Amino acid sequence: KAGVTQTPRYLIKTRGQQVTLSCSPISGHRSVSWYQQTPGQGLQFLFEYFSETQRNKGNFPGRFSGRQFSNSRSEMNVSTLELGDSALYLCASSLKPGGNTEAFFGQGTRLTVV
Amino acid sequence: AQSVTQPDIHITVSEGASLELRCNYSYGATPYLFWYVQSPGQGLQLLLKYFSGDTLVQGIKGFEAEFKRSQSSFNLRKPSVHWSDAAEYFCAVGADAGGTSYGKLTFGQGTILTVHP
Repeated sequence: KAGVTQTPRYLIKTRGQQVTLSCSPISGHRSVSWYQQTPGQGLQFLFEYFSETQRNKGNFPGRFSGRQFSNSRSEMNVSTLELGDSALYLCASSLKPGGNTEAFFGQGTRLTVV
Repeated sequence: AQSVTQPDIHITVSEGASLELRCNYSYGATPYLFWYVQSPGQGLQLLLKYFSGDTLVQGIKGFEAEFKRSQSSFNLRKPSVHWSDAAEYFCAVGADAGGTSYGKLTFGQGTILTVHP
């Protein structure tokens, strides 16, 4: 079956702009999590959605937001982009939320802010 | 709060040699532990997981890991490394219901594996 699909794969944006990233989970998976990966900070948890509700949020400013639709697809939005937002953004899908479940990751969206 | 430490930033081995990547975790309850692998520019692929039961778990690509509660460790091993194993490896701990860590994975900083022919 199809894996986790993230679009677009690459993005270049200018400081101050906003960006929306999309994630389509594996069919049947209802939990979607987002992570930011940078060389300096590593992999950091952004937020997790289940049944269209944000269940948990990491330590990121309010410029980072997300949502989940009824078909479990998720989007994350970053407003007023800063140079430090340049990163690989990874989406993971799971059958259910919680620590004892396998998370399957997409290929990521590489965001470059100039 | 949960945390994961991977003490080795970079490891180099020869093809055919054995491999052990170290992982230490800090978590108050029974941990859910994972190892992921990432090739350059790619997402994370799950190698194996430990939830409960047998402390020696087998994964894909010939990898295995052993959970040692007394040492708070979950080291990844492979008896004979192939050149295609060169990648970055991440250990992660998952939290169960309740608390601010619910539903998220906490990752170590990663270990880059280089394989010499």
